[in-house]
Amino acid sequence: EAGVAQSPRYKIIEKRQSVAFWCNPISGHATLYWYQQILGQGPKLLIQFQNNGVVDDSQLPKDRFSAERLKGVDSTLKIQPAKLEDSAVYLCASSLGRDLNTIYFGEGSWLTVV
Amino acid sequence: SQQGEEDPQALSIQEGENATMNCSYKTSINNLQWYRQNSGRGLVHLILIRSNEREKHSGRLRVTLDTSKKSSSLLITASRAADTASYFCVSTGGGNKLTFGTGTQLKVEL
Repeated sequence: EAGVAQSPRYKIIEKRQSVAFWCNPISGHATLYWYQQILGQGPKLLIQFQNNGVVDDSQLPKDRFSAERLKGVDSTLKIQPAKLEDSAVYLCASSLGRDLNTIYFGEGSWLTVV
Repeated sequence: SQQGEEDPQALSIQEGENATMNCSYKTSINNLQWYRQNSGRGLVHLILIRSNEREKHSGRLRVTLDTSKKSSSLLITASRAADTASYFCVSTGGGNKLTFGTGTQLKVEL
Protein backbone atom coordinates (compact mmCIF):
# COMPACT_ATOMS: atom_id res chain seq x y z
CA GLU A 1 0.00 0.00 0.00
CA ALA A 2 1.42 3.37 -0.99
CA GLY A 3 1.90 5.84 1.82
CA VAL A 4 1.09 9.51 2.11
CA ALA A 5 2.99 11.37 -0.61
CA GLN A 6 4.21 14.92 -0.17
CA SER A 7 6.11 17.31 -2.40
CA PRO A 8 8.38 19.09 -2.55
CA ARG A 9 10.54 17.56 0.19
CA TYR A 10 12.62 20.68 0.58
CA LYS A 11 12.05 24.32 -0.28
CA ILE A 12 14.03 27.49 0.41
CA ILE A 13 12.37 30.82 -0.29
CA GLU A 14 12.87 34.43 0.65
CA LYS A 15 10.48 36.17 3.01
CA ARG A 16 7.43 37.64 1.33
CA GLN A 17 7.57 35.03 -1.41
CA SER A 18 4.91 32.35 -1.79
CA VAL A 19 5.13 28.57 -1.62
CA ALA A 20 2.76 25.66 -2.16
CA PHE A 21 2.93 22.13 -0.79
CA TRP A 22 1.07 19.16 -2.19
CA CYS A 23 -0.19 16.05 -0.45
CA ASN A 24 -1.70 12.86 -1.81
CA PRO A 25 -3.21 10.77 0.98
CA ILE A 26 -3.54 7.02 1.10
CA SER A 27 -6.24 5.87 -1.29
CA GLY A 28 -9.67 5.80 0.32
CA HIS A 29 -8.71 7.92 3.31
CA ALA A 30 -11.45 10.43 4.03
CA THR A 31 -9.62 12.49 6.64
CA LEU A 32 -6.62 14.59 5.74
CA TYR A 33 -4.53 16.74 8.10
CA TRP A 34 -1.88 19.41 7.64
CA TYR A 35 0.49 19.95 10.54
CA GLN A 36 3.26 22.48 11.11
CA GLN A 37 6.25 21.27 13.08
CA ILE A 38 8.83 23.81 14.17
CA LEU A 39 12.25 22.38 15.01
CA GLY A 40 12.29 20.89 18.50
CA GLN A 41 8.54 21.03 18.97
CA GLY A 42 5.62 18.70 18.44
CA PRO A 43 3.39 19.07 15.38
CA LYS A 44 0.65 21.68 15.49
CA LEU A 45 -2.57 21.14 13.56
CA LEU A 46 -3.17 23.70 10.84
CA ILE A 47 -6.23 22.22 9.16
CA GLN A 48 -8.26 19.02 9.09
CA PHE A 49 -10.42 17.94 6.16
CA GLN A 50 -13.15 15.32 6.09
CA ASN A 51 -13.50 14.50 2.38
CA ASN A 52 -13.54 17.98 0.80
CA GLY A 53 -14.97 19.80 3.81
CA VAL A 54 -13.03 21.60 6.54
CA VAL A 55 -13.47 20.12 10.02
CA ASP A 56 -11.02 22.32 11.93
CA ASP A 57 -8.94 25.28 10.75
CA SER A 58 -8.91 27.19 14.02
CA GLN A 59 -5.10 27.39 14.14
CA LEU A 60 -4.55 28.21 10.49
CA PRO A 61 -3.17 31.76 10.06
CA LYS A 62 -5.73 32.64 7.45
CA ASP A 63 -4.15 35.96 6.55
CA ARG A 64 -1.30 34.11 4.88
CA PHE A 65 -2.10 30.38 4.85
CA SER A 66 -4.70 28.66 2.72
CA ALA A 67 -5.48 25.02 2.01
CA GLU A 68 -7.85 23.20 -0.25
CA ARG A 69 -8.97 19.68 -1.02
CA LEU A 70 -11.27 20.31 -3.91
CA LYS A 71 -12.09 16.75 -4.98
CA GLY A 72 -11.73 15.17 -1.57
CA VAL A 73 -8.49 13.44 -2.50
CA ASP A 74 -5.23 15.36 -2.75
CA SER A 75 -4.65 18.68 -1.04
CA THR A 76 -2.57 21.82 -1.42
CA LEU A 77 -1.29 24.08 1.36
CA LYS A 78 -0.19 27.57 0.34
CA ILE A 79 1.69 30.27 2.21
CA GLN A 80 1.63 33.80 0.84
CA PRO A 81 3.52 35.88 1.82
CA ALA A 82 5.96 33.79 3.82
CA LYS A 83 7.57 35.02 7.03
CA LEU A 84 10.78 33.89 8.69
CA GLU A 85 8.80 32.16 11.45
CA ASP A 86 7.12 29.94 8.87
CA SER A 87 10.34 27.94 8.63
CA ALA A 88 9.20 24.47 9.66
CA VAL A 89 8.30 21.03 8.43
CA TYR A 90 4.82 20.75 7.00
CA LEU A 91 3.41 17.31 7.61
CA CYS A 92 0.45 15.82 5.84
CA ALA A 93 -1.42 12.88 7.36
CA SER A 94 -4.47 10.84 6.49
CA SER A 95 -6.80 8.27 7.98
CA LEU A 96 -9.93 6.38 7.05
CA GLY A 97 -11.82 8.83 9.20
CA ARG A 98 -13.19 6.57 11.86
CA ASP A 99 -12.25 7.18 15.47
CA LEU A 100 -10.18 4.05 15.98
CA ASN A 101 -8.19 4.30 12.79
CA THR A 102 -4.46 4.77 12.62
CA ILE A 103 -3.27 8.08 11.22
CA TYR A 104 -0.49 7.81 8.65
CA PHE A 105 2.01 10.60 8.07
CA GLY A 106 3.99 11.62 5.03
CA GLU A 107 7.72 12.39 5.17
CA GLY A 108 7.03 16.11 5.34
CA SER A 109 7.95 19.19 3.35
CA TRP A 110 10.83 21.17 4.84
CA LEU A 111 10.51 24.91 4.41
CA THR A 112 13.27 27.41 5.09
CA VAL A 113 12.41 31.08 4.79
CA VAL A 114 15.43 33.37 4.54
CA SER B 1 -3.28 24.01 20.64
CA GLN B 2 -1.16 21.20 21.99
CA GLN B 3 -2.68 19.72 25.10
CA GLY B 4 -0.37 16.82 25.82
CA GLU B 5 2.68 16.93 27.97
CA GLU B 6 5.39 14.32 27.95
CA ASP B 7 8.19 13.59 30.30
CA PRO B 8 10.99 13.39 30.33
CA GLN B 9 11.72 15.83 27.51
CA ALA B 10 15.00 14.05 26.92
CA LEU B 11 16.24 10.61 27.93
CA SER B 12 19.67 9.08 27.43
CA ILE B 13 20.25 5.39 28.14
CA GLN B 14 22.66 2.61 27.29
CA GLU B 15 21.83 -0.03 24.71
CA GLY B 16 20.04 -2.95 26.33
CA GLU B 17 18.38 -0.85 29.02
CA ASN B 18 14.67 -0.13 29.16
CA ALA B 19 13.26 3.29 28.30
CA THR B 20 10.06 4.63 29.82
CA MET B 21 8.26 7.72 28.57
CA ASN B 22 5.15 9.24 30.05
CA CYS B 23 2.39 11.30 28.52
CA SER B 24 -0.51 13.25 29.98
CA TYR B 25 -3.52 14.66 28.19
CA LYS B 26 -6.35 16.96 29.18
CA THR B 27 -9.60 15.95 27.51
CA SER B 28 -11.50 12.70 27.06
CA ILE B 29 -10.19 10.48 24.30
CA ASN B 30 -11.29 7.70 21.99
CA ASN B 31 -7.82 6.27 21.72
CA LEU B 32 -4.18 7.18 22.21
CA GLN B 33 -1.38 6.49 19.78
CA TRP B 34 2.38 6.60 20.03
CA TYR B 35 4.57 7.69 17.15
CA ARG B 36 8.31 7.74 16.53
CA GLN B 37 10.07 10.42 14.54
CA ASN B 38 13.64 9.98 13.41
CA SER B 39 15.58 13.16 12.79
CA GLY B 40 14.52 14.72 9.51
CA ARG B 41 11.83 12.15 8.84
CA GLY B 42 8.07 11.83 9.13
CA LEU B 43 6.15 10.23 11.99
CA VAL B 44 5.91 6.45 12.13
CA HIS B 45 2.98 4.84 13.91
CA LEU B 46 4.03 2.49 16.73
CA ILE B 47 0.95 1.42 18.64
CA LEU B 48 -2.66 2.37 19.34
CA ILE B 49 -4.47 1.78 22.60
CA ARG B 50 -8.21 2.24 22.90
CA SER B 51 -9.79 4.18 25.74
CA ASN B 52 -11.28 0.97 27.20
CA GLU B 53 -7.90 -0.80 27.24
CA ARG B 54 -5.38 -0.56 30.05
CA GLU B 55 -2.31 -2.22 28.56
CA LYS B 56 -1.10 -3.30 25.17
CA HIS B 57 2.02 -4.99 23.87
CA SER B 58 3.70 -4.98 20.49
CA GLY B 59 7.12 -6.59 20.21
CA ARG B 60 9.45 -4.67 22.54
CA LEU B 61 6.82 -2.01 23.18
CA ARG B 62 4.44 -1.90 26.12
CA VAL B 63 1.86 0.84 26.43
CA THR B 64 -0.35 1.54 29.42
CA LEU B 65 -3.31 3.86 29.66
CA ASP B 66 -4.91 5.28 32.79
CA THR B 67 -7.96 7.27 31.79
CA SER B 68 -8.68 8.26 35.40
CA LYS B 69 -5.33 10.05 35.53
CA LYS B 70 -5.40 11.00 31.84
CA SER B 71 -1.97 9.52 31.36
CA SER B 72 -0.15 6.94 29.30
CA SER B 73 3.30 5.41 29.32
CA LEU B 74 5.45 3.82 26.65
CA LEU B 75 8.06 1.26 27.66
CA ILE B 76 10.70 0.14 25.20
CA THR B 77 12.51 -2.93 26.46
CA ALA B 78 16.04 -3.97 25.54
CA SER B 79 16.66 -0.71 23.70
CA ARG B 80 18.84 -0.51 20.62
CA ALA B 81 20.79 2.32 19.06
CA ALA B 82 18.21 2.32 16.25
CA ASP B 83 15.54 3.33 18.79
CA THR B 84 17.17 6.76 19.01
CA ALA B 85 14.39 9.14 17.96
CA SER B 86 11.71 11.47 19.26
CA TYR B 87 8.57 9.83 20.59
CA PHE B 88 5.16 11.49 20.62
CA CYS B 89 1.90 10.50 22.18
CA VAL B 90 -1.16 11.54 20.21
CA SER B 91 -4.59 11.52 21.76
CA THR B 92 -7.61 11.18 19.49
CA GLY B 93 -10.82 12.84 20.52
CA GLY B 94 -14.19 13.18 18.88
CA GLY B 95 -14.18 13.82 15.14
CA ASN B 96 -10.80 12.14 14.82
CA LYS B 97 -9.13 15.26 16.18
CA LEU B 98 -5.49 14.62 17.06
CA THR B 99 -3.62 16.30 19.87
CA PHE B 100 0.14 15.89 20.07
CA GLY B 101 2.27 15.77 23.17
CA THR B 102 5.49 17.73 23.36
CA GLY B 103 7.65 14.71 22.65
CA THR B 104 10.47 12.83 24.35
CA GLN B 105 13.89 12.75 22.70
CA LEU B 106 15.40 9.34 23.32
CA LYS B 107 19.08 8.68 22.78
CA VAL B 108 20.35 5.13 23.04
CA GLU B 109 24.10 4.93 23.31
CA LEU B 110 26.27 1.96 22.41
